[in-house]
Amino acid sequence: EAQVTQNPRYLITVTGKKLTVTCSQNMNHEYMSWYRQDPGLGLRQIYYSMNVEATDKGDVPEGYKVSRKEKRNFPLILESPSPNQTSLYFCASRSSIWANSPLHFGNGTRLTVT
Amino acid sequence: SQQGEEDPQALSIQEGENATMNCSYKTSINNLQWYRQNSGRGLVHLILIRSNEREKHSGRLRVTLDTSKKSSSLLITASRAADTASYFCATVPSGAGSYQLTFGKGTKLSVIP
Repeated sequence: EAQVTQNPRYLITVTGKKLTVTCSQNMNHEYMSWYRQDPGLGLRQIYYSMNVEATDKGDVPEGYKVSRKEKRNFPLILESPSPNQTSLYFCASRSSIWANSPLHFGNGTRLTVT
Repeated sequence: SQQGEEDPQALSIQEGENATMNCSYKTSINNLQWYRQNSGRGLVHLILIRSNEREKHSGRLRVTLDTSKKSSSLLITASRAADTASYFCATVPSGAGSYQLTFGKGTKLSVIP
């Protein structure tokens, strides 16, 4: 089944403890992206990648890192999480680097930082 | 960055009625997309409409685009309880930025059985 898989689904951590949220897609998509969703603020892009070893900042990249060493994987790294990074995170991918094809979303990771 | 704005923010209707949601945007677009999100889950793509198209259909969904008014609407006909979800429009700018998709804040639709 074609899908974007994120793990974990829920994560509770403490301030400053490094964490990684994994994202993998099995559709051979070129483009991958991370979003965070917060009440009243909608969906905001954190980072995106158009190809292996090519990543770029979105609208809210501060406090996050990403890597794209393989086409299928695009992990999101929080080196030193803070409470304001408590949010619902989504990974997404699409076949083309151009936004003329649908984005496919993972089921989300709900992160709580205390 | 350009952002679509949905209207209304929330909508409550009876099962069987039609639901209409609107999206307005500010600058020229390459295309506009509609997505659905069931509570706390990932977004699901519904329809993509290009700037040179005026109307598209998919099952019970009808999307219109008026580039002169910079607005789009999503109509769900004969709504069902299962249509309860948040609906987002997302715009893709024309020109050099046509790899970026910017989401609005969504319309929360409740369909009452």
